[in-house]
Amino acid sequence: GQNIDQPTEMTATEGAIVQINCTYQTSGFNGLFWYQQHAGEAPTFLSYNVLDGLEEKGRFSSFLSRSKGYSYLLLKELQMKDSASYLCATGRAAGNKLTFGGGTRVLVKP
Amino acid sequence: EPEVTQTPSHQVTQMGQEVILRCVPISNHLYFYWYRQILGQKVEFLVSFYNNEISEKSEIFDDQFSVERPDGSNFTLKIRSTKLEDSAMYFCASSSGVDYGYTFGSGTRLTVV
Repeated sequence: GQNIDQPTEMTATEGAIVQINCTYQTSGFNGLFWYQQHAGEAPTFLSYNVLDGLEEKGRFSSFLSRSKGYSYLLLKELQMKDSASYLCATGRAAGNKLTFGGGTRVLVKP
Repeated sequence: EPEVTQTPSHQVTQMGQEVILRCVPISNHLYFYWYRQILGQKVEFLVSFYNNEISEKSEIFDDQFSVERPDGSNFTLKIRSTKLEDSAMYFCASSSGVDYGYTFGSGTRLTVV
């Protein structure tokens, strides 16, 4: 089965840093994805981790620990436009389906 | 940048009617998917399609649903007899299968009344 947990909502201030945690228990896990979704829009790809460790991409970084079933997405230098839902998802292999968590709604305040 | 295109963006239909949602995946992608998202809920997998056949489907994808790739570019989802609970945003996605990159279309908002 698949079980992915992430907080429902977080609030942070413009310019600050926010860390969104995700824990998962999945069978046949191969990769951990993070997507951003603005209200009423499609998910857009942010990052994926296959190996343990930190992947950095500009203001966004993602970390994975396969042994702990744990990932986080770090958003630095928050901007108002970063207000969105952030979706954690697992995948078994390239070409396979993604299984999504419920998403974390991040509200950035001035 | 290549896009996945979905039409229509919005569709309102009466309960019991058939609807067809259309998608044009990225041209060199080999894997195609449909997901749905009921308002306020998580994105749920419906079906994946590869090499002209269904490769995996979820419990949601029952006999009311079907998918088709009628030509070399379109990928369609048909709901045979819509129910109120089919109201959701339906996302098409495609991937090359070589890496983990997935591209989602902008979605079709289906409202069943």
